[in-house]
Amino acid sequence: SSELTQDPAVSVALGQTVRITCQGDSLRSYYASWYQQKPGQAPVLVIYGKNNRPSGIPDRFSGSSSGNTASLTITGAQAEDEADYYCNSRDSSGNLNYVFGTGTKVTVL
Amino acid sequence: EVQLVESGGGLVQPGRSLRLSCAASGFTFDDYAMHWVRQAPGKGLEWVSGISWNSGSIGYADSVKGRFTISRDNAKNSLYLQMNSLRAEDTALYYCAKDSVAAVQGVSYNWFDPWGQGTLVTVSS
Repeated sequence: SSELTQDPAVSVALGQTVRITCQGDSLRSYYASWYQQKPGQAPVLVIYGKNNRPSGIPDRFSGSSSGNTASLTITGAQAEDEADYYCNSRDSSGNLNYVFGTGTKVTVL
Repeated sequence: EVQLVESGGGLVQPGRSLRLSCAASGFTFDDYAMHWVRQAPGKGLEWVSGISWNSGSIGYADSVKGRFTISRDNAKNSLYLQMNSLRAEDTALYYCAKDSVAAVQGVSYNWFDPWGQGTLVTVSS
């Protein structure tokens, strides 16, 4: 099965921009989706497809992809963006198989 | 409102079995694939299993293959996970999630939304 690798932790100053990356072979074939998880809460979808945001997700969240790397960018990070972020994509090993990234802890300073 | 509510978690001894349920409401359940995702304490998300709308396609993570069985009852708007031969490493919060799919210019993509609040499974003697 595939693996998706993320940096364990990143920090960003309030109001600045941070990019979170996700690397894996499956990303050459499939788009990533991105999930935000705050302590004690279920994950919440923030980006899916090429660069789509669900209703209610601020437009400071955006996504991009190139080769085997997907990226989530927070432009103008806010205190409430401090959370764990996970990428996810289909896995080439099966039609309904998926894989999550290792997760990135974002700290807003 | 789209809602997923998991149940069935608890404390179970190693080697025993447990069946999780996920009750869906607010959407046409049999139009969507569904998944189970787990999170061990202090760890990241791990995809466990997925099932297509008509149960015709099923997938499992290597870590649970042969021990867990996913199923669904579209008449009851419910998703299940039968977990056998449980191990300490299966201890986790188990979430169910709705799979959505779209296609643009021939390229399809999927996403999980929403997620339930999870049910905790603890495997310990």
